[in-house]
Amino acid sequence: GAGVSQSPSNKVTEKGKDVELRCDPISGHTALYWYRQSLGQGLEFLIYFQGNSAPDKSGLPSDRFSAERTGGSVSTLTIQRTQQEDSAVYLCASSLTHTNTEAFFGQGTRLTVV
Amino acid sequence: ELKVEQNPLFLSMQEGKNYTIYCNYSTTSDRLYWYRQDPGKSLESLFVLLSNGAVKQEGRLMASLDTKARLSTLHITAAVHDLSATYFCAGGVEPPGGATNKLIFGTGTLLAVQP
Repeated sequence: GAGVSQSPSNKVTEKGKDVELRCDPISGHTALYWYRQSLGQGLEFLIYFQGNSAPDKSGLPSDRFSAERTGGSVSTLTIQRTQQEDSAVYLCASSLTHTNTEAFFGQGTRLTVV
Repeated sequence: ELKVEQNPLFLSMQEGKNYTIYCNYSTTSDRLYWYRQDPGKSLESLFVLLSNGAVKQEGRLMASLDTKARLSTLHITAAVHDLSATYFCAGGVEPPGGATNKLIFGTGTLLAVQP
């Protein structure tokens, strides 16, 4: 596609439920990143994919968070047993390669846990 | 571990004035990025600075990088209302072997340009 696409744009969920957030990177981009933006923490790195593998998961805040990428394209970030502190905007970005200098961001998914 | 600090956090300026946003980082970074974010929107890439002394300009914005001082600046010339947004700097981290390409972001600077 023309840009990084994320869905849904907004998600409201009840505490304790699981949610899945989807990211469609720019076609041909091999590197994909997930970030989280919240008022208290700013922009935080969560996980990085090169192809289908995730060499850096160091930013995932707990074992309730997981992500996968299939076919070197679409990625899904899953949050299990959501908590109120998970409320944030989840941003996905992609770049042509992992050494490529520029990362392009999607519009984000605003997650609200009530 | 790379840490990135921006200042000021908030900047209110009048149209036509000049100002500079500062971005300090703690350890060697391969590259320095500047992004713009409008309210409710995603991050728009403005500049990528790759080497010491790099200077890039786009319209009223000019970014520079001093790797020895571990400092990047974003200079705004003759501000206009359309420049109102939040500006983030970010350092790139790529350890030996190129295992990751994550960006470490500063806190952001909220710029409000008043008519």
